[in-house]
Amino acid sequence: GEDVEQSLFLSVREGDSSVINCTYTDSSSTYLYWYKQEPGAGLQLLTYIFSNMDMKQDQRLTVLLNKKDKHLSLRIADTQTGDSAIYFCADATGTASKLTFGTGTRLQVTL
Amino acid sequence: GAVVSQHPSRVICKSGTSVKIECRSLDFQATTMFWYRQFPKQSLMLMATSNEGSKATYEQGVEKDKFLINHASLTLSTLTVTSAHPEDSSFYICSARDRGLAGDRSYEQYFGPGTRLTVT
Repeated sequence: GEDVEQSLFLSVREGDSSVINCTYTDSSSTYLYWYKQEPGAGLQLLTYIFSNMDMKQDQRLTVLLNKKDKHLSLRIADTQTGDSAIYFCADATGTASKLTFGTGTRLQVTL
Repeated sequence: GAVVSQHPSRVICKSGTSVKIECRSLDFQATTMFWYRQFPKQSLMLMATSNEGSKATYEQGVEKDKFLINHASLTLSTLTVTSAHPEDSSFYICSARDRGLAGDRSYEQYFGPGTRLTVT
């Protein structure tokens, strides 16, 4: 079945950029999403990208998609302590409404 | 906009009892709601997809008789964990899709804050 992988942990200093990576296996993925989860809470949609796009920027967030390599990344510019959370990538295929989530990357922002 | 609530946020119950969790879309109508389960430090696993007025579609390995889903209106879906056991202890999260969104945005899912179930 579909597999979505992420590195487990990333630590960055406040003010630096963070880059969180994600790889997926389903070549028919149409939409790819990034969600943020703070401790004990649900998921907050940060941004998404359609599979025919290479890049999307939204304020401090930049999403890059390499469809050939099935690689997705989320760059957070000027990372703040409030960005500390777990970040999940997820993909949706075709007209399917199901999302397959990655394993999650815990971002720790240090002073 | 696009707020999803869950009730209760936390519940502790005894083994063998049943627990109902509610998921509501507060400011939009949801054609489809989803129920996920998340174990500590793990990803979300989709349990079932719930469409208003029809039977839920369960993922492989999820017991439909144990996890009863009812989606009686466009703003409410419920998950009932029947005869709960300690291994059912988990964080249950629902999400909903807004029927009013079209195009790219029709795929977006809005998540509730989750319900932590502890079975003793």
